[in-house]
Amino acid sequence: DVKVTQSSRYLVKRTGEKVFLECVQDMDHENMFWYRQDPGLGLRLIYFSYDVKMKEKGDIPEGYSVSREKKERFSLILESASTNQTSMYLCASRMDRASQYEQYFGPGTRLTVT
Amino acid sequence: GQNIDQPTEMTATEGAIVQINCTYQTSGFNGLFWYQQHAGEAPTFLSYNVLDGLEEKGRFSSFLSRSKGYSYLLLKELQMKDSASYLCAVRVVHTSGTYKYIFGTGTRLKVLA
Repeated sequence: DVKVTQSSRYLVKRTGEKVFLECVQDMDHENMFWYRQDPGLGLRLIYFSYDVKMKEKGDIPEGYSVSREKKERFSLILESASTNQTSMYLCASRMDRASQYEQYFGPGTRLTVT
Repeated sequence: GQNIDQPTEMTATEGAIVQINCTYQTSGFNGLFWYQQHAGEAPTFLSYNVLDGLEEKGRFSSFLSRSKGYSYLLLKELQMKDSASYLCAVRVVHTSGTYKYIFGTGTRLKVLA
């Protein structure tokens, strides 16, 4: 069974803080993704990675950065948190080699920036 | 641009059949996925279509017409536990040669007793 875990379910941070969201998958997946989910906007892709140390910008990368030093771990970094980054953050992973493979999602981190 | 449309909300009765539509305008189409998401939980995979036609999986079926940019998810014999959001997602080829996913805003389905 694929397992994708995220470091926190709920997080409250202050404006201007540096925030780290961690995601770990245990199935040796090549691809990993970070999304945010907001009411009425759906899931929007922030960044993704198709290999260790490789990263690609998604549709809304501004204000975020990522790190993938090991295959199983993909970190999302908010350099200076702002209130408009209050959201649900979802990590996902996917095996790369065959097109029919779907993404597996972690449980999400609900981040509140005050 | 890349765009996916699906209805915001639908209501149906337990035991009935419901069809959730999804239309898309994307470039580099490489497959369409449906996910189910219960409130406060992560999305879980339901179905995948890459060729035209119907894919059936128990009470759930999904249809794709690539020429029309159209898909639907059909849920039969509705149960109360089917009350959830249903997300339509299109996989597209990214400029790097890898895949990325574009999601619709989701359809919230309420099943009434």
